[in-house]
Amino acid sequence: GAVVSQHPSWVICKSGTSVKIECRSLDFQATTMFWYRQFPKQSLMLMATSNEGSKATYEQGVEKDKFLINHASLTLSTLTVTSAHPEDSSFYICSARDLGKGNTGELFFGEGSRLTVL
Amino acid sequence: AQTVTQSQPEMSVQEAETVTLSCTYDTSESNYYLFWYKQPPSRQMILVIRQEAYKQQNATENRFSVNFQKAAKSFSLKISDSQLGDTAMYFCAFMGGTSGSRLTFGEGTQLTVNP
Repeated sequence: GAVVSQHPSWVICKSGTSVKIECRSLDFQATTMFWYRQFPKQSLMLMATSNEGSKATYEQGVEKDKFLINHASLTLSTLTVTSAHPEDSSFYICSARDLGKGNTGELFFGEGSRLTVL
Repeated sequence: AQTVTQSQPEMSVQEAETVTLSCTYDTSESNYYLFWYKQPPSRQMILVIRQEAYKQQNATENRFSVNFQKAAKSFSLKISDSQLGDTAMYFCAFMGGTSGSRLTFGEGTQLTVNP
């Protein structure tokens, strides 16, 4: 099956610094990727839709200047948490749709990235 | 907007027995997909089963099957012959219509399979 890889899987940073998380589709191309946030014992909440070559679409209540998304190629989307604070500590997950398979409804998920802000 | 509701925060089952997880959803769309995802302690999201709304036949994948009731907007997951490795959080999810490829998840059900 299609593989989506996230890096890093775990990151600890100091308050006020910025952290970049990468989401790569390893064996397929993805014009659209999605970024989710998950707090412990809770569901996944969609943060934004990442569109290759254009601006990301953010969900209501998500600060676009706080969570910068760049989708510069068909296999890579990045999420940068700027000026991170302890409340940004969470599990971030990306997913991607295989462009070559049309709209089959299937999304492939990365392994997730756990961010801890001290 | 679509909503997905899972009314069972936690469930447990004995190994080898059968368990059913409930899910209801609300949408005005006619064409959509429904999914069950499994999230084990590793937190990797794993697709368990997918149902296309226009198909009346319930989807099955080995020990996993669904009871899809379109009129009632119900989409339950049945796990037969439960195994210890089935212990995980299970999420019901909706995709379709104007939401495109965006997934809307339910709150999740933590399933524990006991030996």
